[in-house]
Amino acid sequence: AQTVTQSQPEMSVQEAETVTLSCTYDTSESDYYLFWYKQPPSRQMILVIRQEAYKQQNATENRFSVNFQKAAKSFSLKISDSQLGDAAMYFCAYRSGFPQGGSEKLVFGKGTKLTVNP
Amino acid sequence: DGGITQSPKYLFRKEGQNVTLSCEQNLNHDAMYWYRQDPGQGLRLIYYSQIVNDFQKGDIAEGYSVSREKKESFPLTVTSAQKNPTAFYLCASSGRTATGQPQHFGDGTRLSIL
Repeated sequence: AQTVTQSQPEMSVQEAETVTLSCTYDTSESDYYLFWYKQPPSRQMILVIRQEAYKQQNATENRFSVNFQKAAKSFSLKISDSQLGDAAMYFCAYRSGFPQGGSEKLVFGKGTKLTVNP
Repeated sequence: DGGITQSPKYLFRKEGQNVTLSCEQNLNHDAMYWYRQDPGQGLRLIYYSQIVNDFQKGDIAEGYSVSREKKESFPLTVTSAQKNPTAFYLCASSGRTATGQPQHFGDGTRLSIL
């Protein structure tokens, strides 16, 4: 079974600075998808960024980018020019590219709480 | 606007009582999911459904039941057999045909014991 590990329970960053959140995963599959979700205090789960394992190019969405190292099974999230609204729990998630029975089940890490200091 | 609606936002359960959490989506998604979130934990899958009238157990299905009579609806019942039901419950959906589509989430229901 696949597992996702987020080794940083909490992180903090100064407003306007850059922070990197770590995520590692364990899988024997070659085709899969990785996601970062953000959960602000409102508890809504918001998709931040998505990466296909077969793509070598790192995904980017505005101030959010990933460093995807397939051989190392690492998928870190970099937030540039941090804003107060970025404060949230961030979850890394894995989805098989060949989902059993056609399901698209997600496996989540335990999350990293990000605090943004003004 | 398309989305996922969960109700109620807060729910209280008495001992020995079954309660049902509602999840409705108008995204025309085939697959729907129920997750449980506890403090300090990631989301854990309770049940999922790929098509109408079919569903499968997730990692922590004991004490829960679901139905999928309509594509739009996937209610979750927390039965009296679930001895520790206090948690935040999230419903999600995704399109089945296109691979790699992200799951979309509702706003959640917080269940507490009276």
